[in-house]
Amino acid sequence: SQTIHQWPATLVQPVGSPLSLECTVEGTSNPNLYWYRQAAGRGLQLLFYSVGIGQISSEVPQNLSASRPQDRQFILSSKKLLLSDSGFYLCAWNSATYEQYFGPGTRLTVT
Amino acid sequence: AQSVTQLDSQVPVFEEAPVELRCNYSSSVSVYLFWYVQYPNQGLQLLLKYLSGSTLVKGINGFEAEFNKSQTSFHLRKPSVHISDTAEYFCAVNSDRGSTLGRLYFGRGTQLTVWP
Repeated sequence: SQTIHQWPATLVQPVGSPLSLECTVEGTSNPNLYWYRQAAGRGLQLLFYSVGIGQISSEVPQNLSASRPQDRQFILSSKKLLLSDSGFYLCAWNSATYEQYFGPGTRLTVT
Repeated sequence: AQSVTQLDSQVPVFEEAPVELRCNYSSSVSVYLFWYVQYPNQGLQLLLKYLSGSTLVKGINGFEAEFNKSQTSFHLRKPSVHISDTAEYFCAVNSDRGSTLGRLYFGRGTQLTVWP
């Protein structure tokens, strides 16, 4: 069966520091991968999606970037964090189905 | 772009009472519809989905939802809730039919709190 992992689970970083969040999927090949951010009371906002290695589409221009160095690995990065980057970051995947399956999330607090 | 409206941000109910969480979407084309549940500090878990066919869909944990095309609604219901149903519920829409590259558009969520 397929599983999706995210790490770290929680992260506290100072403003201006870099960021790297990792997402990996097991048990499937060539998945579509997604990064969402969830802010309190605002639902989920799609940040990036990827249909294959090196293929990244950005939904919202911002202080973040994404990369897909391997088929089942999706990385969210920032060179300099802002206070507004705080939130709960969720990775998701799908393949031959229309629903998406979510990872456990990373809670990021920028201080 | 799609928009999804969850009409209630918070729904408090007593245990064993029925509940309905409302969801409306804006779309002039056919859509796929989903309900997800999120427990504190966890990811989202798929409750149920509507892709085609019967407008009444049943999901996990005793939940069901009815797709109403004329009213562009997809309300979630459960006839008798348990304290363990306390969680946040998200309605989502995917209108990229024909492609599994499904960009989901989410509502802002409804916090369901079940009291003993």
